[in-house]
Amino acid sequence: DTAVSQTPKYLVTQMGNDKSIKCEQNLGHDTMYWYKQDSKKFLKIMFSYNNKELIINETVPNRFSPKSPDKAHLNLHINSLELGDSAVYFCASSLGQGPGIQYFGAGTRLSVL
Amino acid sequence: GEDVEQSLFLSVREGDSSVINCTYTDSSSTYLYWYKQEPGAGLQLLTYIFSNMDMKQDQRLTVLLNKKDKHLSLRIADTQTGDSAIYFCANGGNNRLAFGKGNQVVVIP
Repeated sequence: DTAVSQTPKYLVTQMGNDKSIKCEQNLGHDTMYWYKQDSKKFLKIMFSYNNKELIINETVPNRFSPKSPDKAHLNLHINSLELGDSAVYFCASSLGQGPGIQYFGAGTRLSVL
Repeated sequence: GEDVEQSLFLSVREGDSSVINCTYTDSSSTYLYWYKQEPGAGLQLLTYIFSNMDMKQDQRLTVLLNKKDKHLSLRIADTQTGDSAIYFCANGGNNRLAFGKGNQVVVIP
């Protein structure tokens, strides 16, 4: 009965590959987010969706493409992975259009070799 | 801007009080938040304060907000080993949360 669940928890891949991270929330929230946490623990927002519509798109390379098939899911696809993409990616959700109280997933640790 | 600044590291003896500080630039937000991140886990909301309040107490946690100086602090009374974590303050505005860089708290038994 996890509120915000992400898969996979760990992802190890080679440079140049394409990978996806999935996120689902069962809280009935309207808004979902993707954050990137670097090795210094700095947390920066990448995207947010409200009811399947993109509302925040920070300065993120267009190799990153979020997809929201419904308001309970927000997936992140990354093309042509680079070494600098190695980080922990967190999904979060909140009620309403945000920002509000956000509930975070456990994170996906991506390592690009 | 949305810059949120925090100091980086604090060690404290079990049973003592911890105080973590944060400054922010964007004063338009309605709420300010404190999140806790334990090793290998996501962020978990600890507490939040409405922007027209000066203080909020929640069991061992006391939040102080100085709007004039744009300063937020979190005091943890009777710090316990389970309080060892990274603590992030966050400022909500512009449909997003801006997080500080986090403050790692290490509790020494």
